Amino acid sequence: QKEVEQNSGPLSVPEGAIASLNCTYSDRGSQSFFWYRQYSGKSPELIMFIYSNGDKEDGRFTAQLNKASQYVSLLIRDSQPSDSATYLCAVSGASGSRLTFGEGTQLTVNP
Amino acid sequence: DGGITQSPKYLFRKEGQNVTLSCEQNLNHDAMYWYRQDPGQGLRLIYYSQIVNDFQKGDIAEGYSVSREKKESFPLTVTSAQKNPTAFYLCASSAPRTSEETQYFGPGTRLLVL
Repeated sequence: QKEVEQNSGPLSVPEGAIASLNCTYSDRGSQSFFWYRQYSGKSPELIMFIYSNGDKEDGRFTAQLNKASQYVSLLIRDSQPSDSATYLCAVSGASGSRLTFGEGTQLTVNP
Repeated sequence: DGGITQSPKYLFRKEGQNVTLSCEQNLNHDAMYWYRQDPGQGLRLIYYSQIVNDFQKGDIAEGYSVSREKKESFPLTVTSAQKNPTAFYLCASSAPRTSEETQYFGPGTRLLVL
């Protein structure tokens, strides 16, 4: 079992729709959870981080964390073509700063 | 203007050659990291350093070496022992002993084998 698994994609949604990206992790001691966006040929940029169970909203983005189910998701409302990118889920372990990344989900938003 | 710089943007390696990738940060972050990304894959940790003059192996350290002589700098050497070095190399930094653990990335170096 991979330590961090993301829905395999690619994911395609029409402009204006909600895109839902999912991530599960195996280490129950994981403390911090991050979503990065990576455009083709570029480096990852942070979208959101979440530490506590529940929802965290930032503009069109909502991160959801359920530690009991070892599940974290990212919802993108009113998806735009500029949201087309690969989204990486990253999880820090119980010991702190090391991050483990999933393989990413490629999202395409169609105009 | 704070940030992380990596150089060069593209690097070409010949067989049997060691090459060094540069990473510099002016964010006053204690921790620095090197990742490798292969096409269509996530990031894999090569080495990381949480403090000057100390570093630890990540998941794929074989064929790589690092040094951390200054807080601002964390160069990565890809040695001739790394048989498949073609990849996108990403450097990151963070301030781990605070509530802010987020890692911030440099623009990356793309390494190609001639």
